Amino acid sequence: QKEVEQDPGPLSVPEGAIVSLNCTYSNSAFQYFMWYRQYSRKGPELLMYTYSSGNKEDGRFTAQVDKSSKYISLFIRDSQPSDSATYLCAMKIAGANNLFFGTGTRLTVIP
Amino acid sequence: NAGVMQNPRHLVRRRGQEARLRCSPMKGHSHVYWYRQLPEEGLKFMVYLQKENIIDESGMPKERFSAEFPKEGPSILRIQQVVRGDSAAYFCASSPSRASGSVETQYFGPGTRLLVL
Repeated sequence: QKEVEQDPGPLSVPEGAIVSLNCTYSNSAFQYFMWYRQYSRKGPELLMYTYSSGNKEDGRFTAQVDKSSKYISLFIRDSQPSDSATYLCAMKIAGANNLFFGTGTRLTVIP
Repeated sequence: NAGVMQNPRHLVRRRGQEARLRCSPMKGHSHVYWYRQLPEEGLKFMVYLQKENIIDESGMPKERFSAEFPKEGPSILRIQQVVRGDSAAYFCASSPSRASGSVETQYFGPGTRLLVL
């Protein structure tokens, strides 16, 4: 079993739709949760960063962490064609050095 | 541009040659991480370095791979005697020192895409 599971998609939505992206994990020691956006042939770009459980909002993006269910989500409101990218979830144990990544979900927003 | 810089962006090597990948962290960052991304797979941690020290190389293959972060200059990931299975995108990330900012966030460079023929 992988430590971080993420549906690879692809996911296609019309412009303006609400997008829901999710990851599950098995290691209860994870305490830091991130979402990265990766455009084709580019490096991952940090979008959202959350510590422990709860919600965090930044513009059109909302990150949710449910540690009891080992489940994290990223919601994108009013999706735009420029949101078309691969979204990677990543997690970290406090004090550890490395991030554990999901495989990424490829999103296409259709104008 | 104060972001993480990596070069070359693309590197082609024949089997048995050496590959050297370079990474300059963001200004003010003293922690460097290397990750490898194989096709259709997530990024996998390889090594974590601070200036002149390898802190954690638990994700590094035991043979042919080495990394350094000298006092002056960029961090180097070196792959000796490359094989076709080494073809991948190699990403470098950096984070601030513990004395300033949050060490928990990592910022990634654009990557080096290595192709072994």
